[in-house]
Formats: sequence, C-alpha cells, structure tokens
Amino acid sequence: NAGVMQNPRHLVRRRGQEARLRCSPMKGHSHVYWYRQLPEEGLKFMVYLQKENIIDESGMPKERFSAEFPKEGPSILRIQQVVRGDSAAYFCASSPPGQSSRDTQYFGPGTRLTVL
Amino acid sequence: DAKTTQPTSMDCAEGRAANLPCNHSTISGNEYVYWYRQIHSQGPQYIIHGLKNNETNEMASLIITEDRKSSTLILPHATLRDTAVYYCIVRVRGSQGNLIFGKGTKLSVKP
Repeated sequence: NAGVMQNPRHLVRRRGQEARLRCSPMKGHSHVYWYRQLPEEGLKFMVYLQKENIIDESGMPKERFSAEFPKEGPSILRIQQVVRGDSAAYFCASSPPGQSSRDTQYFGPGTRLTVL
Repeated sequence: DAKTTQPTSMDCAEGRAANLPCNHSTISGNEYVYWYRQIHSQGPQYIIHGLKNNETNEMASLIITEDRKSSTLILPHATLRDTAVYYCIVRVRGSQGNLIFGKGTKLSVKP
C-alpha cells in the first residue's frame, strides 16, 4: 500500500507564474489536508477536503490560493501569481473515512516551492 | 484544543532512552494526547496517542500523569535516525480537520 504521494517534489517558479501541487492520498483515504511550512517555521494548516468538498479552508490565504479534491484524480493545490513569500514546503496528508481517524494523518514527502 | 508546552531542544546519547516531556495543564476530559515527529526535510510522522492510560507501540511509549496535565514520550533506545522535531498535540478525538503543530522539541541523538 503506497503512502501519500506528492508531485513534483521540487518546483521552481518565477514571480507571477502559477504553481500546481498534486497530492494522491493513500488508497482508501477520503480526507486530504494541506499544510505549509515556511523556512525555519512550524507547519501551518491550510485546507481540509473530502472528495469534491472543501470542509475547512480557514488557513488558506484569501487570494491566489485554491484547492480541490475531485471525484477522480489527485488533490490539487493551486497558487496563482506566485510571489517570493510563497516559497515554502507544502505538505499533504490523508486519513481514512471515519471521524476518529482524522487524528492520525499520514503525510507525504512534501513539495518544495521556490519562487525566483 | 488545549495549549501544550515543550522544551525547545534536547540531546540524547545513541542507545539511551530519550524522554520528551510535554505540559498540557489545561487539557479537558475528552482531549487526547498525540505525538508526531518530523525528520529533517520529510513530512511529519504519527507516533502514538493516548487518553489517560499509558500506551506502547513499536515506536515509543507514552506516559500520561494521573492528573493528565503532562505526558512523556519515551523512545527506549534512541538511534541517530530518531533525530527530529517532536510535536505534542492535544485535541478532541475525531474533531474536525487540522492538526495544530506548535514549535515542538528538537531532539538530537548523538553518537
């Protein structure tokens, strides 16, 4: 059973470009979470999704950031018009269905975004 | 979720037990204690969780005081690969959404 997969592992963008980060949850997992870790800082929650639904986006910046988890395919975190301050590691986590299972989240290896 | 307090950093000799403390004096009756760790440049990894009884799994042991205001994560025989930042998180089991990561404890296992 493969773990959470994220791609690309490293992404370089110039200011103003778009970044698309993909996350494939573990098989059978229907909950996906995105976290951001700025250099030398802790992980900060961004958004929590279930299939085709955004459950909690309280940690998402109001502009330029969006996330989806379609019925088929991976979850996508999209950052439009990237700025230098978006440079960070973006981690995706997943958990299986069931209320109590949300506490045990399985994390992917992360995507390291560098904005030039 | 209750606030947690952890030391910023700790050292441990390889092969010895690593005891990582966490204070959660405002924990409520239905909140569990969870431990995660993050090895450098990797995603966080779940370690263990508990409510009030001591817990043990293949990775670690969790000792929770009787009043539940503090706990200790024990790595019985630390290896160099256990060097990581360890996060103590308190939350109601099954509560919706995200984990709240504090600053954690940077454990350095030294040969």
